[in-house]
Amino acid sequence: DSGVTQTPKHLITATGQRVTLRCSPRSGDLSVYWYQQSLDQGLQFLIQYYNGEERAKGNILERFSAQQFPDLHSELNLSSLELGDSALYFCASSARGAGRNEQYFGPGTRLTVT
Amino acid sequence: AQKVTQAQTEISVVEKEDVTLDCVYETRDTTYYLFWYKQPPSGELVFLIRRNSFDEQNEISGRYSWNFQKSTSSFNFTITASQVVDSAVYFCALSEAQGAQKLVFGQGTRLTINP
Repeated sequence: DSGVTQTPKHLITATGQRVTLRCSPRSGDLSVYWYQQSLDQGLQFLIQYYNGEERAKGNILERFSAQQFPDLHSELNLSSLELGDSALYFCASSARGAGRNEQYFGPGTRLTVT
Repeated sequence: AQKVTQAQTEISVVEKEDVTLDCVYETRDTTYYLFWYKQPPSGELVFLIRRNSFDEQNEISGRYSWNFQKSTSSFNFTITASQVVDSAVYFCALSEAQGAQKLVFGQGTRLTINP
């Protein structure tokens, strides 16, 4: 158990809908990262937050957004969903940047868009 | 740009054999970090090791060992006396030491250990 929690574990929704994925980092970790794992793209970095502020963006679509709250939990919002958004979404946390402290991953949320 | 290549898409061996997973990386940074993660069939990503670019010493942890060679930009992972529980997808990853420090992953190697 990494100490990172993600809810829900599975999500099935229709095209055009909006969903919110939730992540609670390990106790004491200030950084939260979101990654998407799909068959065609592999594991890709989406966005990073550090202590409530956005730090870096990767290949995140404009239909996607995220935030980190004062209690350090984070939410990833996916809107106008398309079939291609079906993937496993991981949240990871680290005490600081991954360069000094490794990232620990949550169990993931499997999103299926039908 | 950073890139990680795991040329072996799938490897299948018989239990108790030794197996090496290859990882080659590209970066222009002089300081960086390398990682290995394991993704068992249950789907979670499990951290195995972090190595910084200054430290080229090989590391051994039980049946696992890692060989970092800066000269060839490789960070290979060997499992000795493999077991069925080692069956998983293994990912090599790279991060810069400064800035975003996001992980750049290879495509993964699916390792199957047959009894």
